[in-house]
Amino acid sequence: KAGVTQTPRYLIKTRGQQVTLSCSPISGHRSVSWYQQTPGQGLQFLFEYFSETQRNKGNFPGRFSGRQFSNSRSEMNVSTLELGDSALYLCASSRGPGGTDTQYFGPGTRLTVL
Amino acid sequence: GDSVTQMEGPVTLSEEAFLTINCTYTATGYPSLFWYVQYPGEGLQLLLKATKADDKGSNKGFEATYRKETTSFHLEKGSVQVSDSAVYFCAREGNYGGSQGNLIFGKGTKLSVKP
Repeated sequence: KAGVTQTPRYLIKTRGQQVTLSCSPISGHRSVSWYQQTPGQGLQFLFEYFSETQRNKGNFPGRFSGRQFSNSRSEMNVSTLELGDSALYLCASSRGPGGTDTQYFGPGTRLTVL
Repeated sequence: GDSVTQMEGPVTLSEEAFLTINCTYTATGYPSLFWYVQYPGEGLQLLLKATKADDKGSNKGFEATYRKETTSFHLEKGSVQVSDSAVYFCAREGNYGGSQGNLIFGKGTKLSVKP
């Protein structure tokens, strides 16, 4: 069974631009969560989608948004990029919503904002 | 708010040494607990988990026991290898619909094992 895939793996953007990251969950998984990982803040939760609905959202500004499609694939978008948005963005999928279901992580997208 | 606290690294050990990485959590109930591992340049992999008090999770020689009395979930391995060098994250199940998400992570502990 294929794991969680994320594209692209690496991205370089400049301040003010916008970016879209993609995540394909494991087949049969309907929940996708997104996390931002930085050396200073560690792993921070962005949002979770289940069956195309945003289930909960972390404490990030409105520049961070996401969506989920009917095939469970998910995208996240960051508009008006800032230097501080440079991070590893990880997505994780699970069968169902909530924390008890094991979450499986993708390799991440490394975003660098110049 | 609810949190996970793990010992700060980096931790440097010689091959075959005993490993302990401490982890404690705060919670009003009994959330599931997890250890994830992140190898250089990769995403997180689930190492082990425990879903109720006194459960012991184990995998690849690593073990952790869910201790509700001490709200702890310490990671142990009897004999580490160079290939165990990675960052280890302790995590607990989040609150339903909470802004911290389904998994609340500790800051991570970097382990380096020298031959």
